[in-house]
Amino acid sequence: AQKITQTQPGMFVQEKEAVTLDCTYDTSDQSYGLFWYKQPSSGEMIFLIYQGSYDEQNATEGRYSLNFQKARKSANLVISASQLGDSAMYFCAMRDRAGNMLTFGGGTRLMVKP
Amino acid sequence: GAGVSQTPSNKVTEKGKYVELRCDPISGHTALYWYRQSLGQGPEFLIYFQGTGAADDSGLPNDRFFAVRPEGSVSTLKIQRTERGDSAVYLCASSPGLAGVGSSYNEQFFGPGTRLTVL
Repeated sequence: AQKITQTQPGMFVQEKEAVTLDCTYDTSDQSYGLFWYKQPSSGEMIFLIYQGSYDEQNATEGRYSLNFQKARKSANLVISASQLGDSAMYFCAMRDRAGNMLTFGGGTRLMVKP
Repeated sequence: GAGVSQTPSNKVTEKGKYVELRCDPISGHTALYWYRQSLGQGPEFLIYFQGTGAADDSGLPNDRFFAVRPEGSVSTLKIQRTERGDSAVYLCASSPGLAGVGSSYNEQFFGPGTRLTVL
């Protein structure tokens, strides 16, 4: 079974600074995918970034990058130049080889201070 | 284009009642997923469909929960004899298809959710 752990229930960051949200995962599969989603107070889940287990380079999407360390089983999200609109819950998730469902972590609440 | 829609957005019911939650996926998406998100937690998988058939229903907590997708598009999640512990946000997602081994990601697009409150 897969497990996603997000150890930071809440994080503060100053506007315009970078922040790293931690995610570790546990799986026995060699082929899997890692996702990050943003959930603002309105409730919708917004896809941010994806990393495949065989991808050799870290994924980047605009201000989002994923620090993928396969040996450590970590997939931390880095948000550069934080904006007030980045304040939200952030969820790390994994899709394993066998299934198509996502397994989510408990989330990190990010609060950006002006 | 239109995203995933879910109705109702909010549902308040009494313990023991029956409820139906509806999901309209993005047009053309063959895969549909249901998740449940309890307060302060991440979403938990319930069931997913490929076309009309339930490909995996291992996340359904018990036999009070049932979901259908009779024509391969709209899906309905049905909860019988609701309990207070069923109170949560029920999220639906769709994707263009299923991800295969070694394939690139198949992003799941989420709807806004239905907030179910059982009194």
